Amino acid sequence: AQKVTQAQTEISVVEKEDVTLDCVYETRDTTYYLFWYKQPPSGELVFLIRRNSFDEQNEISGRYSWNFQKSTSSFNFTITASQVVDSAVYFCALSEADQGAQKLVFGQGTRLTINP
Amino acid sequence: DSGVTQTPKHLITATGQRVTLRCSPRSGDLSVYWYQQSLDQGLQFLIQYYNGEERAKGNILERFSAQQFPDLHSELNLSSLELGDSALYFCASSVAVTGELFFGEGSRLTVL
Repeated sequence: AQKVTQAQTEISVVEKEDVTLDCVYETRDTTYYLFWYKQPPSGELVFLIRRNSFDEQNEISGRYSWNFQKSTSSFNFTITASQVVDSAVYFCALSEADQGAQKLVFGQGTRLTINP
Repeated sequence: DSGVTQTPKHLITATGQRVTLRCSPRSGDLSVYWYQQSLDQGLQFLIQYYNGEERAKGNILERFSAQQFPDLHSELNLSSLELGDSALYFCASSVAVTGELFFGEGSRLTVL
């Protein structure tokens, strides 16, 4: 069965610090997709990234970067030079490849607080 | 703004009642998903539709049902409501059967 573990329930850092959110997943499939979503205090879920299991290249988007390591089944998310606006709950999610359907399994989320 | 519209944003009702949550997907998206977010269960997949057809089912209770209409909007019907059904219900859409999911702002249901 699929499972996503975000072991860090809460993280609190001071603005401008770098912070890494951990995500470990379990799946029996060789083809799958990994996602990160941000849920700010307003409540909506904001899509950040989708990565397929065959693409292990790290990705950088501005201050955000993602490190995908199949050997350790991890898909970690780093925010560089954090800002107060980054405060949110961040969810990692996994979807097994199925041409007919897509079910995302979410981790429990990491609440990130950036203090000024 | 993701482009996915959900109504109502907030809903308060009593146990035993029935409610309908509505979702309009992003323009061009054929796939619609429903998720439930509660404090104890986290984010749980309920059901997926693609171009009017049910494609996948998660832990959706028998008291809950959904459909996707020809104009691609979707409705989630929750009946015989219980206190434990209080949650944030999200709708999401994607262009194809798989792909990036874009979520609406959610409908917060409170059952008293």
